[in-house]
Amino acid sequence: DVKVTQSSRYLVKRTGEKVFLECVQDMDHENMFWYRQDPGLGLRLIYFSYDVKMKEKGDIPEGYSVSREKKERFSLILESASTNQTSMYLCASTGPNYGYTFGSGTRLTVV
Amino acid sequence: GQNIDQPTEMTATEGAIVQINCTYQTSGFNGLFWYQQHAGEAPTFLSYNVLDGLEEKGRFSSFLSRSKGYSYLLLKELQMKDSASYLCVRTSGGYNKLIFGAGTRLAVHP
Repeated sequence: DVKVTQSSRYLVKRTGEKVFLECVQDMDHENMFWYRQDPGLGLRLIYFSYDVKMKEKGDIPEGYSVSREKKERFSLILESASTNQTSMYLCASTGPNYGYTFGSGTRLTVV
Repeated sequence: GQNIDQPTEMTATEGAIVQINCTYQTSGFNGLFWYQQHAGEAPTFLSYNVLDGLEEKGRFSSFLSRSKGYSYLLLKELQMKDSASYLCVRTSGGYNKLIFGAGTRLAVHP
């Protein structure tokens, strides 16, 4: 089975801190995605990557950046965390057949 | 969710049948997924419809009408563990991008 691992389940950070969320997949998938999920809004795409060092903005990229230096790892970076970035962050990867596999999620609280 | 409409909440009784409807914008459409998400957990895959018609998989079935931009998820013989959110998800262009509905929160009562 494909495994997608997110480094932290829960995080609490202070406003203005730089925050790194890490995601690793073990099935050699090309495509990786970062979503945030908020009540009533569903999952919204922040950034995605279709190859090493390649990235594309999703629907809500403001305040975020990403890094994909290796195929298996896709990092989400909050340059200067703000309280409106308090959310559940979900990483996913997929191969050629649209089958998404999600990580277990990181619940980030910015205080 | 972007251009995807599904009811916010539904309730049903254990052992009953429930149908969760979803309508979506048809432009750029390739396929329709349903995901289940329990509270505090990641979404898990339930079904994927590309062609019109009904796909049955155990207690769960999913229907698609591409011309109408309509899908439904049918859950039979409901169990308490089926209490979860059900996400209607459509494809969106290249790189396997998906668009998620906001989800339908289903509560199953004894």
